[in-house]
Amino acid sequence: AQSVSQHNHHVILSEAASLELGCNYSYGGTVNLFWYVQYPGQHLQLLLKYFSGDPLVKGIKGFEAEFIKSKFSFNLRKPSVQWSDTAEYFCAVLRRAAGNKLTFGGGTRVLVKP
Amino acid sequence: GAGVSQSPSNKVTEKGKDVELRCDPISGHTALYWYRQSLGQGLEFLIYFQGNSAPDKSGLPSDRFSAERTGGSVSTLTIQRTQQEDSAVYLCASSLVRVGTGISRNYEQYFGPGTRLTVT
Repeated sequence: AQSVSQHNHHVILSEAASLELGCNYSYGGTVNLFWYVQYPGQHLQLLLKYFSGDPLVKGIKGFEAEFIKSKFSFNLRKPSVQWSDTAEYFCAVLRRAAGNKLTFGGGTRVLVKP
Repeated sequence: GAGVSQSPSNKVTEKGKDVELRCDPISGHTALYWYRQSLGQGLEFLIYFQGNSAPDKSGLPSDRFSAERTGGSVSTLTIQRTQQEDSAVYLCASSLVRVGTGISRNYEQYFGPGTRLTVT
């Protein structure tokens, strides 16, 4: 069973639409959570991260994510997407008990139509 | 440095040959990671270095894979006797990890552009 699950493999939407990408993980204990983005032809970039504190975290380019511990979820949101948000998005979990490696979800390809 | 750099950006090799992939982490980052991105397997962890030692090699898929890090900086991932299933993008990342007595603090990982390996 996949330890980090991203519910949608592909999402297609129009500019100005709202985006929400789901991410669930199956680990207990302390976790650090991340969303990375990979634009076409570019390398992985960090969008936002959760380490502790306020479960609603804001990242770059208008993205935000909410950590809901009881649901083991860390969903990514953006109220109004732009064509330039076309990319692949990866959720990742770092488990303190398992060292420093990231475990990634399968990724979600997002296509924003102009 | 400005970011994590990797070389070569592309490598095409024949089955059975050895390859070496290089990673230069961000200056001052103590931790270095190798991951692999392939169509069938997604993004997978391979190995983690803290300084020059590798406390976690659990992701290396076989004994044909090895890695070393020297001077707490540059790392080389070596694949011996390459197979077609080794074709993938090999990603390097670096981060700060502050290790204290009984505790460690992790920071975010920054990724390089990757080396695309094609085994023919």
